[in-house]
Amino acid sequence: DTGVSQNPRHKITKRGQNVTFRCDPISEHNRLYWYRQTLGQGPEFLTYFQNEAQLEKSRLLSDRFSAERPKGSFSTLEIQRTEQGDSAMYLCASSVNGELDEKLFFGSGTQLSVL
Amino acid sequence: QKEVEQNSGPLSVPEGAIASLNCTYSDRGSQSFFWYRQYSGKSPELIMFIYSNGDKEDGRFTAQLNKASQYVSLLIRDSQPSDSATYLCAVSTSGTYKYIFGTGTRLKVLA
Repeated sequence: DTGVSQNPRHKITKRGQNVTFRCDPISEHNRLYWYRQTLGQGPEFLTYFQNEAQLEKSRLLSDRFSAERPKGSFSTLEIQRTEQGDSAMYLCASSVNGELDEKLFFGSGTQLSVL
Repeated sequence: QKEVEQNSGPLSVPEGAIASLNCTYSDRGSQSFFWYRQYSGKSPELIMFIYSNGDKEDGRFTAQLNKASQYVSLLIRDSQPSDSATYLCAVSTSGTYKYIFGTGTRLKVLA
């Protein structure tokens, strides 16, 4: 168990560019989540997958954001035409099917800075 | 009304005291409740979860849940400077496995 891995750790980009982040969950975990966190705020839900199926996407998420989880393993989050307001920490978390006690395990996050 | 509300703090307590952190939620169908600790610059880590009304103890931590009042709290006994962090309350939404987080309460334990 190597934990949830996210790459890159930091990304600096210019406004208007596209960026892609990768998340590798804990190997036996079938649920994968993406959250966004800005300074002084809690993690904001973006989307989650069960295996390869994207089950829910936040209505706050514009169509510039897309996430995939091919084959139910790693996931990618792409942001197109980045804006300064996209600057945040993007957190990935994974969990294994559970009942009431399902727990999220977070990766170290990708810090995005849009200049 | 926010789905999960917490006082942002900071909450300052002296070393050895009891720290009490509170959280309210709006979805009456919520079934599972979690407390995460987040140190500055780090990702959240789970410290407690609860899904039944009442108290649940784990070492120095006690989670309390009152579904009728839509209220969940975390007590930290014998607070240590190393407990200084932001504590995030998370609630599972009814019918899904989506977890909604509060804004977190910043705790400072003064030596």
